[in-house]
Amino acid sequence: NAGVTQTPKFRILKIGQSMTLQCTQDMNHNYMYWYRQDPGMGLKLIYYSVGAGITDKGEVPNGYNVSRSTTEDFPLRLELAAPSQTSVYFCASRLQGKYQPQHFGDGTRLSIL
Amino acid sequence: GDSVTQMEGPVTLSEEAFLTINCTYTATGYPSLFWYVQYPGEGLQLLLKATKADDKGSNKGFEATYRKETTSFHLEKGSVQVSDSAVYFCALSDNAGGTSYGKLTFGQGTILTVHP
Repeated sequence: NAGVTQTPKFRILKIGQSMTLQCTQDMNHNYMYWYRQDPGMGLKLIYYSVGAGITDKGEVPNGYNVSRSTTEDFPLRLELAAPSQTSVYFCASRLQGKYQPQHFGDGTRLSIL
Repeated sequence: GDSVTQMEGPVTLSEEAFLTINCTYTATGYPSLFWYVQYPGEGLQLLLKATKADDKGSNKGFEATYRKETTSFHLEKGSVQVSDSAVYFCALSDNAGGTSYGKLTFGQGTILTVHP
């Protein structure tokens, strides 16, 4: 039972490069989320999706894009990497329903140099 | 908007000591409240939750009671172990109007270190 799987675990990018952080879940969850975690801070919501083909912005969406073509996958795209995007990124998913908890992946640690 | 405030950390305790991590919240609706734990190098794991006032969530010896009158959800454990060393996050999901889509608002996290 894999749960939420994120790849890669670590990545170093140069300023201006682009990359896609992958997230897949095998629990048939409709709702998926991307967060970033900065040192000493809680998690901030970047984007979320309530189902295939439906995405919406969270608290800190600037510099990121997402897509949701299937229930299982929710990739996060950085088009022009900037040092301010150095962070740990977490993907999460949950069942639809009022009191359902979110299930998290192990994170991707990204450094922009 | 919604917000969660946790006690300043880090917290350092000896094994078998009593633990309290304070958490207070501000929300416009009737939120669900959660405690998540993050062990080094791992993602967040749900520790416990409460969905309405006076509910008590419990798991692995940890407890927290949803106090609407004080807008609090403090985490407690009677006797901590070295293996409890981790970062603890308080979070809320605002269920108002059914449009929150389960989005979580997190506190800043509290680092707990337990020494033998």
